[in-house]
Amino acid sequence: ETGVTQSPTHLIKTRGQQVTLRCSSQSGHNTVSWYQQALGQGPQFIFQYYREEENGRGNFPPRFSGLQFPNYSSELNVNALELDDSALYLCASSSVDAVLYGYTFGSGTRLTVV
Amino acid sequence: GEDVEQSLFLSVREGDSSVINCTYTDSSSTYLYWYKQEPGAGLQLLTYIFSNMDMKQDQRLTVLLNKKDKHLSLRIADTQTGDSAIYFCAERRNNFNKFYFGSGTKLNVKP
Repeated sequence: ETGVTQSPTHLIKTRGQQVTLRCSSQSGHNTVSWYQQALGQGPQFIFQYYREEENGRGNFPPRFSGLQFPNYSSELNVNALELDDSALYLCASSSVDAVLYGYTFGSGTRLTVV
Repeated sequence: GEDVEQSLFLSVREGDSSVINCTYTDSSSTYLYWYKQEPGAGLQLLTYIFSNMDMKQDQRLTVLLNKKDKHLSLRIADTQTGDSAIYFCAERRNNFNKFYFGSGTKLNVKP
């Protein structure tokens, strides 16, 4: 049991549409990060939220945005979907001990853009 | 991942040892991690090592770190078919908690 739940598990969208992916973290995990994992690749860092504020971002365009809520849940929003956005999206949460234990990852949402 | 490299495939027989290698380029990396990913699943943290350590052993897992060469390895003793998965090394650099992952090594364990 990972303690991090993502929904939905699979999703198919059309190019140009918008999508919202959701993540529910463990209680007390005040840091959440989102990663994109393309097929055959390692996860790529999208951004991180700490106490409901974005505090780090990878090389992703502004159409990738997020929110973190006080109840340890978070969202990843992607606007104007492109075919290359097809990937597994992973949510990872941690407490301040992340430096020791790494992140706890969810099982991901598989997004297919057609 | 950015500058974290791994070989793509490794095939071993059940009962043998597996060694998965990783190289990284950022000498400021303070913590290095090994994650396991099974089909259709997220990432499971296997072990981690601090940059001031050379070796860490955890049951069947042994991590070796050569900081001079920026080389990290994961040895799995007595490899089992259940160890078949993709293994990712990841480095945490000094900027907050951003992890850089390699592209993963697919381990195939033959009975």
